[in-house]
This record gives sequence, C-alpha cells and structure tokens, in this order.
Amino acid sequence: GAVVSQHPSWVICKSGTSVKIECRSLDFQATTMFWYRQFPKQSLMLMATSNEGSKATYEQGVEKDKFLINHASLTLSTLTVTSAHPEDSSFYICSAQSTGPTGELFFGEGSRLTVL
Amino acid sequence: KQEVTQIPAALSVPEGENLVLNCSFTDSAIYNLQWFRQDPGKGLTSLLLIQSSQREQTSGRLNASLDKSSGRSTLYIAASQPGDSATYLCGYDKLIFGTGTRLQVFP
Repeated sequence: GAVVSQHPSWVICKSGTSVKIECRSLDFQATTMFWYRQFPKQSLMLMATSNEGSKATYEQGVEKDKFLINHASLTLSTLTVTSAHPEDSSFYICSAQSTGPTGELFFGEGSRLTVL
Repeated sequence: KQEVTQIPAALSVPEGENLVLNCSFTDSAIYNLQWFRQDPGKGLTSLLLIQSSQREQTSGRLNASLDKSSGRSTLYIAASQPGDSATYLCGYDKLIFGTGTRLQVFP
C-alpha cells in the first residue's frame, strides 16, 4: 500500500513553545490530508481537513490559531501546535487520501507530543 | 450525531480460533468503510476497504462484509495468530471512527 511518513515520531517540549509535525505522502500525491488526535484507549478525533493550496477546514471545537495547518504541496502537510501547554500532550496522527476512485486513507505512524 | 460502535471492546482468544469483530454505524449514506489495525503507539494500517456498492472484501485470512441498510460491518479473521494481536478500528468516509476492538491472541 501507499506510504505516509510522519515526523517526528515523538517530541518533548517546554510549555509555551511551538512544535511542528510533518506528514508526507511518499509515493503518491494527496490533495487532501487529515489530522487527528487520539487519547489513550480512545478513537481518533478528526481535528481538521487539509487541502493543498487552500485553507484547512477545522472541526468544531478545534482552535485554528492554536493548531496551524499548512498544505503547501501535494505531498506535504504540516501541523504546528503553537504555544503548547500540557493539555496539548497527545498522540497526533495524519492521513492522506488516495486520489484513486476508492479514496482510500493511508495513515502516518503518529507523533507523540509531551508538553512539560 | 454520526457514531460508530465496535463490539466487543476487547477480546482474548487462543491461537487458531476464527473471530468476528463487529462495527455498527448510524449513517446509512456512507461512501466507503475501512477496517484498520493499530499497534500500540503506532498509526493505523489499512486492512480492507469496502465501497458502498460492495458487500464484502477479502484479503488473505481477513474478510470484511458491509450491510448499509442495517448499518453493520463485520471483520472475520480466520485461524487467528499471535501476530494478529492489535486494536482493530473501523471507520467510514475518513471522518468517523469507532473506539476499536483490542484483540489479544495467545499461543
């Protein structure tokens, strides 16, 4: 299947700093990528839909100024957690949608963020 | 509110058993449904995708069925192995996911 690379896989930062997470589709182009947040033993919560060349669409309750999303190319989307606080600590996962007829989703390996 | 429910929440079985994992959803107008596997601390690996026009898909020891009218999908795992131990999630149309079934297969 298609490969989606997410980096970094884990990051520890101090409260108040900003952290950038990258999501790359390695062997296909993805006009649409998705960012999720997952708490322990819970399902994925969609945060936003990232469309190449346009502004991201955020889900209700997700602060767009807090979670900045940029999708500057067909293979890269970034999520920046600005002024991170301990409550932002979580597992963040991205997915990229295949442009084929099925629209299958392929997921990155996730990024574990810990804010001290 | 669109919801996905997965039953059972957890399952522990001896190696070799055939398993059925259940996924029910409230939105009958889905485009496609996917089954995923998630290992601890990892992302999701796509196992099977069923389009709304299809009834089932098979890959190796895995078979997934879809009944849109009743809002149900099942994942059948034949001859389970310890390496199948993981959390299995279903999700549809990229947006809605269940909380998963945590499967443990012991030797």
